[in-house]
Amino acid sequence: GESVGLHLPTLSVQEGDNSIINCAYSNSASDYFIWYKQESGKGPQFIIDIRSNMDKRQGQRVTVLLNKTVKHLSLQIAATQPGDSAVYFCAENIAGSARQLTFGSGTQLTVLP
Amino acid sequence: GAVVSQHPSWVICKSGTSVKIECRSLDFQATTMFWYRQFPKQSLMLMATSNEGSKATYEQGVEKDKFLINHASLTLSTLTVTSAHPEDSSFYICSAGPGGTDTQYFGPGTRLTVL
Repeated sequence: GESVGLHLPTLSVQEGDNSIINCAYSNSASDYFIWYKQESGKGPQFIIDIRSNMDKRQGQRVTVLLNKTVKHLSLQIAATQPGDSAVYFCAENIAGSARQLTFGSGTQLTVLP
Repeated sequence: GAVVSQHPSWVICKSGTSVKIECRSLDFQATTMFWYRQFPKQSLMLMATSNEGSKATYEQGVEKDKFLINHASLTLSTLTVTSAHPEDSSFYICSAGPGGTDTQYFGPGTRLTVL
């Protein structure tokens, strides 16, 4: 994925609602995907990952869905909380690439009180 | 587990000086570490792959003589920005992962400001 430059896509949700963040990945050879959360001034924090032999994986309050046909990844956050406000990045890893990650452009999630 | 640290967390330097940033894996060994750069409101861009005991691999467009990488041990990689200029001001982040896994864990980042 490539950076979109100075303007991150944004998503605003009401506290307690569910959030869905989408990502289109670039390489059909990618076989491992990770969602990261990045708060302002901090490094990315691992949220959840999924391999290409799966189409869904659940964690605590989060679910990742993978649609390989259209090269689409989504992150669902249940009962969104103020602490979930951050930038969310998807990252893809291509088999045999020594675990290098390619990052998507990111989505700014803002949770409204 | 899987904690990655960076030092310093921020640094301000004068144009023309060199700055060294350290990346450490605290509870695992890493034969490979990665260095990223992130400009405001943008995504992470991979700069180079740091390989323990051998030369780093740089991404296209990244000057290897300007961004010196040393991976002298299984828990430490350093990035030295040589002859820094204001356009090098950025957020530098490293990542590493335990052997046998694909997951990468990130350090807290280093904010470099070149005056």
